[in-house]
Amino acid sequence: GESVGLHLPTLSVQEGDNSIINCAYSNSASDYFIWYKQESGKGPQFIIDIRSNMDKRQGQRVTVLLNKTVKHLSLQIAATQPGDSAVYFCAENISNYGQNFVFGPGTRLSVLP
Amino acid sequence: ETGVTQTPRHLVMGMTNKKSLKCEQHLGHNAMYWYKQSAKKPLELMFVYNFKEQTENNSVPSRFSPECPNSSHLFLHLHTLQPEDSALYLCASSQEGSTENQPQHFGDGTRLSIL
Repeated sequence: GESVGLHLPTLSVQEGDNSIINCAYSNSASDYFIWYKQESGKGPQFIIDIRSNMDKRQGQRVTVLLNKTVKHLSLQIAATQPGDSAVYFCAENISNYGQNFVFGPGTRLSVLP
Repeated sequence: ETGVTQTPRHLVMGMTNKKSLKCEQHLGHNAMYWYKQSAKKPLELMFVYNFKEQTENNSVPSRFSPECPNSSHLFLHLHTLQPEDSALYLCASSQEGSTENQPQHFGDGTRLSIL
């Protein structure tokens, strides 16, 4: 079946370094993608989204890259801070199929002092 | 503040109890969702409501019964749950109706434990 998955279940980075979190998706018809951050005891928090007509989108300290050729999505966090420690997961959606998003299992990011 | 408020934050109940989870969104959205988040599993969509009408029931057992009295409030009524139903239940909302899908915004969830 179609699925969204993450390459790395855990990622540890030094404070101040850049982080890259990856996501592979298998449904070539997906055209909308979201990255969420989930801190302990909280719900998923929207970080950034990207549609399939773009290959890069930037936010505050975050950049999402979309490679449709290899069905790969990545989230780059610049100058990682302790407050960035959380589980990050991607979600994919096919616009014509309504609001059904397929979520990845998540990657835990740990920021080391 | 996420704009989506869920109560209670924690709930412990026996298998024969009846309880309800409540969700309220203050974002002016017209669609609301219930998700189940279990340990080490991806988020699972349970129910979707669009303009107060249920548009999706993702093969959820009948012991979970949703109710959406208006576009700002969503309930999940629980009855005769099983231990495997212990999980974090998340509510989300979004603005639907345009040609492009919009992100869903989540509450902080209700942590449910079934004894």
